[in-house]
Amino acid sequence: LAKTTQPISMDSYEGQEVNITCSHNNIATNDYITWYQQFPSQGPRFIIQGYKTKVTNEVASLFIPADRKSSTLSLPRVSLSDTAVYYCLVGDRGEYGGATNKLIFGTGTLLAVQP
Amino acid sequence: NAGVTQTPKFQVLKTGQSMTLQCAQDMNHNSMYWYRQDPGMGLRLIYYSASEGTTDKGEVPNGYNVSRLNKREFSLRLESAAPSQTSVYFCASKQGTPYNYGYTFGSGTRLTVV
Repeated sequence: LAKTTQPISMDSYEGQEVNITCSHNNIATNDYITWYQQFPSQGPRFIIQGYKTKVTNEVASLFIPADRKSSTLSLPRVSLSDTAVYYCLVGDRGEYGGATNKLIFGTGTLLAVQP
Repeated sequence: NAGVTQTPKFQVLKTGQSMTLQCAQDMNHNSMYWYRQDPGMGLRLIYYSASEGTTDKGEVPNGYNVSRLNKREFSLRLESAAPSQTSVYFCASKQGTPYNYGYTFGSGTRLTVV
């Protein structure tokens, strides 16, 4: 079962750049790394997905080193509305190491943005 | 676009009662999922359906049953509700290969079992 490790919580102030790092030492060769955002009382929302190097969209950037054993979600100039739980996920492995069609969530990182 | 629609949004049950949580998606996705989220915790997978006609157990399937009624609909049934099943239930769907993790989630059903 592929597993990720990320900090339980982080604090930041408005206008700062926030970097959340996730460790996934057992990531499989074909796996992508995906990040979700969850606000209180809502379902998770897809933020960004990448395989290697750097991916950027209108919300965030994702940095993945060559060994792919970790990844960093970067949120530029956060605001109060970015206060949420952020989940890092990689694919689940089946009994014989093959990809399954399910996504297993960890506990995520609670980002608290203060004025 | 509706995306993933869950009904009901709130429900209170007495211990031993049964109920079915409904989920429907309008994105023509092949795979559908049921998760539960307890207060302060991450999401745990209950059951999933990789494609129409198939269902599989997730991390915490005990006490639940599912039905993939058609490509659009995936229901979750609690046959005899217990207080330990008090939680927020999320339905999700996705399209594509096992390596595509772009899930779309519903807004959740808040279930309280007393």
